[in-house]
Amino acid sequence: RKEVEQDPGPFNVPEGATVAFNCTYSNSASQSFFWYRQDCRKEPKLLMSVYSSGNEDGRFTAQLNRASQYISLLIRDSKLSDSATYLCVVQPSGSARQLTFGSGTQLTVLP
Amino acid sequence: EPEVTQTPSHQVTQMGQEVILRCVPISNHLYFYWYRQILGQKVEFLVSFYNNEISEKSEIFDDQFSVERPDGSNFTLKIRSTKLEDSAMYFCASSGLATNYEQYFGPGTRLTVT
Repeated sequence: RKEVEQDPGPFNVPEGATVAFNCTYSNSASQSFFWYRQDCRKEPKLLMSVYSSGNEDGRFTAQLNRASQYISLLIRDSKLSDSATYLCVVQPSGSARQLTFGSGTQLTVLP
Repeated sequence: EPEVTQTPSHQVTQMGQEVILRCVPISNHLYFYWYRQILGQKVEFLVSFYNNEISEKSEIFDDQFSVERPDGSNFTLKIRSTKLEDSAMYFCASSGLATNYEQYFGPGTRLTVT
């Protein structure tokens, strides 16, 4: 089983649509969770950390379900500029800080 | 807004040559990392560095690789004898002491080994 698994997409949605991405992780002891976005041939950029209580940042909402080892990202009112690859990222427990990346879900927002 | 910088943006080298990739982490960060991304594949962890020593490394980070913080600002990755399969984008990242361990990435160095 992959450590971090994501639907690769692509997701093609019209402007203004709501789109949801899912991610599962295999290590039940994982400590911290993030969503990054990556534009073509650019660096991963931190979008948001994901907390157990769920968190929202503008049009973006992230949820974590530790029991199911499942993370989600919801984008509301999608913009053309949201087109990118969305990376689900997990960090193990304890003092280890290495990030484990999923393969990413590609999103294209169409005019 | 503070950011991680990396040089060069693109490095072309011949197989067997040594390369040094350079990074300047965010100034008040204390943890530094190298990741790589082979074209079309996912981002992979190489090594983390704290308090002037390696704190974790992956299986990829073999004896061909080394890291150094030669002064108060730079963080370098050296590949001793490059192989074709080392061709990838190499990202440097840094993080502070905050408990959420958020890591911020530099723009990357594209390494092409011919």
